[in-house]
Amino acid sequence: GAVVSQHPSWVICKSGTSVKIECRSLDFQATTMFWYRQFPKQSLMLMATSNEGSKATYEQGVEKDKFLINHASLTLSTLTVTSAHPEDSSFYICSATTPLSGLAGQVSYNEQFFGPGTRLTVL
Amino acid sequence: GENVEQHPSTLSVQEGDSAVIKCTYSDSASNYFPWYKQELGKRPQLIIDIRSNVGEKKDQRIAVTLNKTAKHFSLHITETQPEDSAVYFCAASRGGGTSGSRLTFGEGTQLTVNP
Repeated sequence: GAVVSQHPSWVICKSGTSVKIECRSLDFQATTMFWYRQFPKQSLMLMATSNEGSKATYEQGVEKDKFLINHASLTLSTLTVTSAHPEDSSFYICSATTPLSGLAGQVSYNEQFFGPGTRLTVL
Repeated sequence: GENVEQHPSTLSVQEGDSAVIKCTYSDSASNYFPWYKQELGKRPQLIIDIRSNVGEKKDQRIAVTLNKTAKHFSLHITETQPEDSAVYFCAASRGGGTSGSRLTFGEGTQLTVNP
């Protein structure tokens, strides 16, 4: 249980184009999803917190107009990197969490379940 | 906001030895401390976690200790094996409420277990 998928697993695009990444919780309803970015040999940096049906909360320094996040359902969140540039090349990882009442005895309230990540390369 | 510091950044041990990784946190309201193992190009994998109402937790060769007063927690791996080689991240969160569950990660420790 508690499986999170991401699509695509990797993408190469030209500078100036937009790329959409999907994050899905396959067997549970995720009230909250998180988007992280990880550069080579660095830690995971939280970009934004996405709650179903409301606007995402972005971390300081993350441009909300560049990284568009939509969380339209309890099982799907999308991250769109608009007008991508080479410096946006990174490993993007999502995670999902849900309150204990949703999956009592199986999922802790705090635990986040991570997707497999999406490797974005902007040429 | 929360700040998590992790040491060492690299750790090399011989197979069968123990490995210890330490983290400190700044937010006294943090109450959930997971540890993740990440292999190259893959997702972080939760290996153990601890909540602030306990001081120690053990799962086979892996243990975590928490000192709330000093605001630090440590990962202990005993009888290390080559397959333990990976990057390990500590993290901290306040838990409770959707925004409160956001994780702040340490910088990571590259553990290498030499056969």
